[in-house]
Order: sequence, then C-alpha cells, then structure tokens
Amino acid sequence: RKEVEQDPGPFNVPEGATVAFNCTYSNSASQSFFWYRQDCRKEPKLLMSVYSSGNEDGRFTAQLNRASQYISLLIRDSKLSDSATYLCVVSNAGNNRKLIWGLGTSLAVNP
Amino acid sequence: NAGVTQTPKFRVLKTGQSMTLLCAQDMNHEYMYWYRQDPGMGLRLIHYSVGEGTTAKGEVPDGYNVSRLKKQNFLLGLESAAPSQTSVYFCASSRTGSQYFGPGTRLTVL
Repeated sequence: RKEVEQDPGPFNVPEGATVAFNCTYSNSASQSFFWYRQDCRKEPKLLMSVYSSGNEDGRFTAQLNRASQYISLLIRDSKLSDSATYLCVVSNAGNNRKLIWGLGTSLAVNP
Repeated sequence: NAGVTQTPKFRVLKTGQSMTLLCAQDMNHEYMYWYRQDPGMGLRLIHYSVGEGTTAKGEVPDGYNVSRLKKQNFLLGLESAAPSQTSVYFCASSRTGSQYFGPGTRLTVL
C-alpha cells in the first residue's frame, strides 16, 4: 500500500463547479500535511498547508481527519486557471523534514 | 529573491557521460533535496541534506552523488549516465515543513 494515496482522475468539470479531492495516508504518526499544485511541465508549488481544525484560503478549503487518516481539498467556483495536478503531501515525524508525496489528482476545468 | 534556481534547464547526455546539476537557494534554508519525477511514478527523493556539509540517501540514490559544501548550494552528480536516468530533476529547499522547488532540469540520456 502506498503511503499517500490519491485518485488520479482526471476530473473534468465546467467553470464555476465545485470539486473535491480526497487523499489517504497510512502512517498514523504523520505530523504535517500539505496540498501542492503542479502545472504541466512546471515545478510543484505549495497551495496550502492543512491544519487539524481545517482551513480556508479564498476558494480553497482543506480539511484533515486524523482518525480516518484522510485529507481533503475543496475548490469552489472553479476557474480555467485551476486546471493542474493537485498533490497531497504528508510529513512524518523526524528532523529531516522529508515529505511523502501522492501521485496527484489531475483536474481539467472546461469553459 | 530568486528563490530556488537550477542549472542547466535542459541537457542531453550520451550513455556513460557525467554531469553535475546545480541547485542554489537564497532563502537561507537549512534543508535541501533532490527529486526525480517520471510519468506515473510521482516525485521520488534521490538525496537530501539537513545542513551544510551533510548529505543523506533518499529512496532512489543509486547512480547519483551529492555535495553540500555551501549552505546555499546543493549539487547532484551523475558519474556515468544511463538511459534509466532520463527524467525531470527538481531541487527543493525548506526551513520548516513545506518545500520550495526550483524550475527543474530536463535530462535525456541517449
């Protein structure tokens, strides 16, 4: 079983739609959680950190459920520019700051 | 701030040739990482460093060496390139949890 699992998609949605991605992780000792965005042929960029209480950044909402070991990302009012691959990322205990990466979920927002 | 930069952006090698990829960061980050990304495989950690003068192996270190002589630079070396090393290489740095990436180097080994 992969340490971080995501539905690869692709998710094809119309502009203005709400879309949700889920991610599960296997290590219950995981401490930090992130969503990254990667555009085609570009580097991953931090979208948002995920906190236990849930957090929101504009149209994006991230939630963490430690008991079930899953993380979610909700995108409201999708824009064409949201088309990208969304990577779920987990950091386990330890001082080397290594991150465990999901394979990503592909999103295409259509006009 | 330039953030994280990588040179070169593209390179084509023949099997058996050697090369060095350079990563530089101007954010005074302690931690630096080298990843490769291949279709269907996601990001895989090659080597990493928790500070100047230190390096450690990641999950796919074979065929690569690294050095961190200065805090701001992290070099990735391929001693004898193989076609299996054709990939996109990303460097990243961090201070706390999240990592910041360079634009990548696209390497093709013929």
